[in-house]
Amino acid sequence: EPEVTQTPSHQVTQMGQEVILRCVPISNHLYFYWYRQILGQKVEFLVSFYNNEISEKSEIFDDQFSVERPDGSNFTLKIRSTKLEDSAMYFCASKDTGPYGYTFGSGTRLTVV
Amino acid sequence: DAKTTQPTSMDCAEGRAANLPCNHSTISGNEYVYWYRQIHSQGPQYIIHGLKNNETNEMASLIITEDRKSSTLILPHATLRDTAVYYCIVSYTSGTYKYIFGTGTRLKVLA
Repeated sequence: EPEVTQTPSHQVTQMGQEVILRCVPISNHLYFYWYRQILGQKVEFLVSFYNNEISEKSEIFDDQFSVERPDGSNFTLKIRSTKLEDSAMYFCASKDTGPYGYTFGSGTRLTVV
Repeated sequence: DAKTTQPTSMDCAEGRAANLPCNHSTISGNEYVYWYRQIHSQGPQYIIHGLKNNETNEMASLIITEDRKSSTLILPHATLRDTAVYYCIVSYTSGTYKYIFGTGTRLKVLA
């Protein structure tokens, strides 16, 4: 069964450093997403991406965040200057056109120290 | 805010059916109901979705009331591996297909 692949599985970074979280969505999917989950809290929407541009973003997704699909397969989330409160699980997801469900990746645990 | 309400937690005996309710009284005509589950801190796993008809797949059945204001996810023979947080989500069938997650139901399957 096709999978969404996320790397790394765990990243530790110092406050103020830039991080890039990587995702390989399912190849024929057209919609791409990043969600995050702070430990013990809800899964929160960050951003959706379609047709090579952001289609919607949440209040969390401020100027420190950016997304890119640099080639036909990767989908990345960059956090420019990490803060302690950015520590969370970050999930990438993709879906096909139509009312089909998402496929989520297994997540990247980001720890900012 | 999430457009769904679910019980915080439920227990179910192994081998029995687990019936997880969800209230979505403000659902609009072009919103589907989706169910996902999350085991520990893994990525949410898609289970099933529906619009107004009842649906069944190899994992579960989804029963949607005629007025579409509530639904029930049924795991017919729960196993220990079904212990997870189950999320009921309503989402439009067009646009960005964004999800708003609630707190879900923590299902514990007991041996």
